[in-house]
Amino acid sequence: AQSVAQPEDQVNVAEGNPLTVKCTYSVSGNPYLFWYVQYPNRGLQFLLKYITGDNLVKGSYGFEAEFNKSQTSFHLKKPSALVSDSALYFCAVRDQAGTALIFGKGTTLSVSS
Amino acid sequence: ETGVTQTPRHLVMGMTNKKSLKCEQHLGHNAMYWYKQSAKKPLELMFVYNFKEQTENNSVPSRFSPECPNSSHLFLHLHTLQPEDSALYLCASSQEFDFYEQYFGPGTRLTVT
Repeated sequence: AQSVAQPEDQVNVAEGNPLTVKCTYSVSGNPYLFWYVQYPNRGLQFLLKYITGDNLVKGSYGFEAEFNKSQTSFHLKKPSALVSDSALYFCAVRDQAGTALIFGKGTTLSVSS
Repeated sequence: ETGVTQTPRHLVMGMTNKKSLKCEQHLGHNAMYWYKQSAKKPLELMFVYNFKEQTENNSVPSRFSPECPNSSHLFLHLHTLQPEDSALYLCASSQEFDFYEQYFGPGTRLTVT
């Protein structure tokens, strides 16, 4: 069965510092991996995805994620955090045979000025 | 958020009421989804429609009844709900299944009294 884990409920960083939001997954076969962000009272917004190819994926708002097959991880990163990055971040995975996208429980990112 | 719209944004209903949630996507997508988002829990996939045909019903109670009259519109009919059904209900769409990202509406905040 597919699953995705976000081990941290909350990540706190200072503005200007690099940030990492962790995600690990479990699927049979090759995964399709996604990151979404949710601001208060809004729906989820797509940030980036990994399907195949280069392990480093670049997305919206300066975010990037690194696919690591041996560690079954897909951590979200940004070199320099902004206060406006404060939001709830979701990692999601689907295997090639599945129709459903399985979401993690989310990680709240708080960036302080 | 003109891509996927949801109405109403907020809904309060009693346990004996009947109401409907509406979702419309303006992206030309072929797949549409209903999710339930409860506090401190991962997003729960409820229903999936592909080319207007329901392809997944994730063990959702019969008090939730979906309808997809065309590829642009999706409804969720509600009747005799329980207080634990109070949540944010999110609609999403995607080009198709597989590796296409989903685009989410802003959600309907439902409170069952």
